[in-house]
This record gives sequence, C-alpha cells and structure tokens, in this order.
Amino acid sequence: EAGVAQSPRYKIIEKRQSVAFWCNPISGHATLYWYQQILGQGPKLLIQFQNNGVVDDSQLPKDRFSAERLKGVDSTLKIQPAKLEDSAVYLCASSLNLNTEAFFGQGTRLTVV
Amino acid sequence: AQTVTQSQPEMSVQEAETVTLSCTYDTSESDYYLFWYKQPPSRQMILVIRQEAYKQQNATENRFSVNFQKAAKSFSLKISDSQLGDAAMYFCAYRRVMAGGGADGLTFGKGTHLIIQP
Repeated sequence: EAGVAQSPRYKIIEKRQSVAFWCNPISGHATLYWYQQILGQGPKLLIQFQNNGVVDDSQLPKDRFSAERLKGVDSTLKIQPAKLEDSAVYLCASSLNLNTEAFFGQGTRLTVV
Repeated sequence: AQTVTQSQPEMSVQEAETVTLSCTYDTSESDYYLFWYKQPPSRQMILVIRQEAYKQQNATENRFSVNFQKAAKSFSLKISDSQLGDAAMYFCAYRRVMAGGGADGLTFGKGTHLIIQP
C-alpha cells in the first residue's frame, strides 16, 4: 500500500513570494490533515478535511494561507505572501475516517529567506 | 484548549536498557485518545502506541508500553531493551473525541530527543 505522498521535499523562497505544497493521501482515506512543524516544536494542526469539506481550520492564518481538497482526494496548501516565520516543515497526514489512525507523509521543508 | 507538555527535551539511555519518557496533558474532556509518535531524521511521523482514555488497561506494543494515569493526566512511555533504531524524536499527542464519534486533529507536545548509547 502506497503511503502519503508529498511534494516537493524541499523549497527555498524569498519573503513575500508565493509557494504551494501538494499532498496525495492514501487511497480511500476520507480525512486529510495539514500540520506545520517549526524547528524544535511539535506539529501544529493547520487544517482538517473530511472528503472535500473543511472540518477544522481554526489555526490556519487565513490572511496568507489557503488550502483546498478538490474532489476529496489530493490537496494543496498555499502561502501567499510568505514571511520568514513560515519557515517550517509542512506535514500532510491522512486517515480512513475521523477516528482512525493518521498516517503521515515525509513533509516539505520550507525555508523563507 | 488542550495542551500537551513534555518536560524532557533530551534523554539518553544505554543500548539494551530501559527508558521512560514523560508526558502530561491538560483537558476538560472525558473522552479522548493519547498517542506516542516517533519522528526519525526522515521527518515521517510513525505511530508507536495508542491509548483510549476510557480503557483502564495500559497499552503495550512489544517493547513499548505506557503508564496512563487519567486522574493525574499523565501518559508516560516506557521503552524496554532499547535498540539503536529507537533513536529519534518522540512526541506525545492528544486527540479529542467529538460528539458523533469523530475526532479532532492531533495536539502535540514539543518532543523528547532520545539518544541511544551503544
């Protein structure tokens, strides 16, 4: 069974530029999560989808971050414009449904300079 | 809001010995899950063990076991017979069960860096 796929693995951008991350969850998984992990900290939930609907985006900085999950499968997370403090690893995870184990991808390491 | 606290930034243990990682959490909920995740340098979070709050029996998975103290809101991880491959960051995490049976996303602690001395 293929795991959660994320791309790119690494990205370096200048502040005020835009960036997008892509996530392909495990086939059949209805729930998808995006987490932000700043160096030295645990991951923080940004947004949770159930199929193509948002369950929780209370910690998503909506002035600059957006996420979508068209057709309830792949998802993209966008930052526009990026700030220095957005430098982090962005982890995508998926689960079969809302109360089952979440499986994580390997993340995208973003550096904003 | 729920919080998860890991008070040990780093722990070191000799290979084949036993080590215990500490975790406390704060919640007003009665129904939730607790987890320990392992994150090696590859960055991929790997589930180590899971505990349902309604279960009194402590979860075990081979060399990994937990000591779940619900009243004290404490959830420690014991690793027996430590192996070199256990070296990683370990994160304690909390997940609230919502009305209707679903669950929130995970709330993580800051992690404990586990070093295994050969």
